[in-house]
Amino acid sequence: GDSVTQMEGPVTLSEEAFLTINCTYTATGYPSLFWYVQYPGEGLQLLLKATKADDKGSNKGFEATYRKETTSFHLEKGSVQVSDSAVYFCALSVKYALNFGKGTSLLVTP
Amino acid sequence: EAGVTQFPSHSVIEKGQTVTLRCDPISGHDNLYWYRRVMGKEIKFLLHFVKESKQDESGMPNNRFLAERTGGTYSTLKVQPAELEDSGVYFCASNARYQAGATTGEQFFGPGTRLTVL
Repeated sequence: GDSVTQMEGPVTLSEEAFLTINCTYTATGYPSLFWYVQYPGEGLQLLLKATKADDKGSNKGFEATYRKETTSFHLEKGSVQVSDSAVYFCALSVKYALNFGKGTSLLVTP
Repeated sequence: EAGVTQFPSHSVIEKGQTVTLRCDPISGHDNLYWYRRVMGKEIKFLLHFVKESKQDESGMPNNRFLAERTGGTYSTLKVQPAELEDSGVYFCASNARYQAGATTGEQFFGPGTRLTVL
């Protein structure tokens, strides 16, 4: 079945460090791919998405490229801030429902 | 515009009791989803409503779970009787209906209800 695998956390980085969170997927159809973020005490928010191969989603300095050949959708940011501390979820959708990875907790220290 | 709201934010009950979770989607959103995250596991899809109809309930774990969406507005998820393994965070999400063939739309999530079964 459809599934998402993302790197285990927690990830701890210093402010201004480069961030990569790996995400790979398995899908029978042609999925849309998403990164959701959950800040402490809040619900999940869409961070970015890509709906077809080679699309790049971007938002708030974060980027991810839909790589069909490697079935990946890695999240990157060039310079993280303390305010980026949150849990990040990679997800896919073929029809309606979202299939999520386990989430990666990110802590950015000053 | 108000977002998706869920009530209660936390619930602690004993095994065998009944709990009802409520979700109010964004006004006008026909699609409503329930998800659950058990500690240390992925967020798992439970079911999907289109207005008041259950479109997909393939993720419902067993018949102790009953979801309703009377009138196509808010939804309730009842667990009866609750078991220890039902503990987790229950998320609700909604989005607007889109035309067939269009790309998958963003889902808007509520803050979740944390359920603890003792």
